[in-house]
Formats: sequence, C-alpha cells, structure tokens
Amino acid sequence: DAKTTQPTSMDCAEGRAANLPCNHSTISGNEYVYWYRQIHSQGPQYIIHGLKNNETNEMASLIITEDRKSSTLILPHATLRDTAVYYCIVRVQYGGSQGNLIFGKGTKLSVKP
Amino acid sequence: GAVVSQHPSWVICKSGTSVKIECRSLDFQATTMFWYRQFPKQSLMLMATSNEGSKATYEQGVEKDKFLINHASLTLSTLTVTSAHPEDSSFYICSARGQGEKLFFGSGTQLSVL
Repeated sequence: DAKTTQPTSMDCAEGRAANLPCNHSTISGNEYVYWYRQIHSQGPQYIIHGLKNNETNEMASLIITEDRKSSTLILPHATLRDTAVYYCIVRVQYGGSQGNLIFGKGTKLSVKP
Repeated sequence: GAVVSQHPSWVICKSGTSVKIECRSLDFQATTMFWYRQFPKQSLMLMATSNEGSKATYEQGVEKDKFLINHASLTLSTLTVTSAHPEDSSFYICSARGQGEKLFFGSGTQLSVL
C-alpha cells in the first residue's frame, strides 16, 4: 500500500501558484519524498525529490516539514499544461535491485483559465 | 534528461493473439526496468521487475506465463502479453532506473483486445 495521503483533487487558476499537500506520517529516516506527475494517457514524469531540506528546480519547489511527516509541492506559476495527476511517493533512495515506485491515487490538479 | 522509449504507443489485437511491447533506455544503461499496468481512472500497479540477464520478478497475482518479460540487454526490456483477452486491455508502462536513482518512464502502450 502507498505510504502517502493526498487530496483527491484540486483546482488552481492559471498563473497562480499551485500548492499540493502530501502526508507521509510513517516515513522512515532513510526514505525520500518523490513527486511525479502523469498527464492523461502518458507515462509519469519526474518532478522533484528530497530528503529533509527544501528543494527547488526548474519545475517546482518541494517543502518538507521539519518532522518530515508532510510535504508540499509548489508549482509557482501554474499553466494549463500542468493539469495532471500528481503523485507523492516515499521510497528509500537506493532500493537495490528493486527500487520501484509504489503509486497511490495521487491528486488530480486542474488548472483553469 | 534520460529518455525511455516505449513502442508501440497503442495496439489493437484479436483475442488469443500475443502482443510484444518494447522498452528502451536511449541514453543510459538500465540494469533494472519495471513494468506497470494502469486501468482507466486507476493508479499504476507494478507488475514485474525486469533484471538484465536474469529472470524477472513478478508481483503477487501477475501470471508469469502470461506476461513474458525478457531483458536481454542493458537498454532493452520486452513485455509479451500471450494469448491476450479483453480483460488484458489496459495501459502498460515501463520504467528504467537511471542515474541518481530516479525512475524514468516510457510514454506507455494502450492495449485493446477485441
């Protein structure tokens, strides 16, 4: 079973920041938080990941609480093309021969004009 | 970034026939690839883990004789759906583990069995 809890759906106005929350209260010390998104009928796309420090890249920012029990993915200026299902996943970084990702239901983000 | 190519993008076949799906890592070597299946409005479910040069590891409930996996090289894994039936109709997605432990996904294959 997935180790994360996310809202089923969210709406965001185009041009505004989209803040997607994720609860992972049972996260272990060696588990990272990964975010992927899946646009309709495509394979998932990597967004960002982090351990305990906040992270930022060209796509998004990841804010992890100090106790690491929750995190927020921030899309600073959402566009219509950001409409997708966003998955928050916790996983040990070096998963050996496995290292697969276990997907939950994710959050369906709808960016509206 | 790393690219995973999956082919074909979609396939329609008759019941009882076999379908092969290819997954290639284009600019990196992948000792491990993963195969997922996704039914409409559901999340991705891991089917099997494909290891180069060895037998695949299947998740519980996935028939290894029906879903044949071959990972003969560091850049290619194939999934063959044998004797496909309508209930096998689904979106199949492969992924490969690249540098830094990120997983990169193919674009998926929509299989429709008539």
